[in-house]
Amino acid sequence: DTGVSQDPRHKITKRGQNVTFRCDPISEHNRLYWYRQTLGQGPEFLTYFQNEAQLEKSRLLSDRFSAERPKGSFSTLEIQRTEQGDSAMYLCARQEVRDRDTGELFFGEGSRLTVL
Amino acid sequence: QKEVEQNSGPLSVPEGAIASLNCTYSDRGSQSFFWYRQYSGKSPELIMFIYSNGDKEDGRFTAQLNKASQYVSLLIRDSQPSDSATYLCAGRSDYKLSFGAGTTVTVRA
Repeated sequence: DTGVSQDPRHKITKRGQNVTFRCDPISEHNRLYWYRQTLGQGPEFLTYFQNEAQLEKSRLLSDRFSAERPKGSFSTLEIQRTEQGDSAMYLCARQEVRDRDTGELFFGEGSRLTVL
Repeated sequence: QKEVEQNSGPLSVPEGAIASLNCTYSDRGSQSFFWYRQYSGKSPELIMFIYSNGDKEDGRFTAQLNKASQYVSLLIRDSQPSDSATYLCAGRSDYKLSFGAGTTVTVRA
């Protein structure tokens, strides 16, 4: 158990629909990351939060994507007007904030999106 | 050029052999490096991390880091069929990790 829960695990939607993914890390005292992974590729960074502050966003995160972490605990990633190119595994990860900040990420099980 | 490159693979080794995986990185400011294992359809699972030059051993796994050559490797000794997976190398710059595309390892029984 990595201490990260994601929901839903699978989502099939039609092009043009909106989808929302949720991530619940075990602790509030950490950084929270969103990555996207397509077949045959490594995870690609989308954005990260420290507490409720969104500190960095990738250029991959177009205007159709928005992420929030309203109280510094759980986070949501919303994709509006989905496109077939959005089909991917969306991974959430936590990173402990501590004195020895070695930076390892612990991933949730992911939310697989299929856009028809 | 991607920040992290994994050029080797796919890799097929017989059970009990050593699997050797390689990774290079372009950002000299990268502070630490990670190896993740990912089974098909699953999320990445951390195997080990390294941030100092040299070797780091954890059970059957040994990570090696050479900052001068910007090179990271992973050795899997006494490979088992359960080691069959994709192995992802990642480097950390600032607060985020950049991943390579992965190397798929198949261990033949």
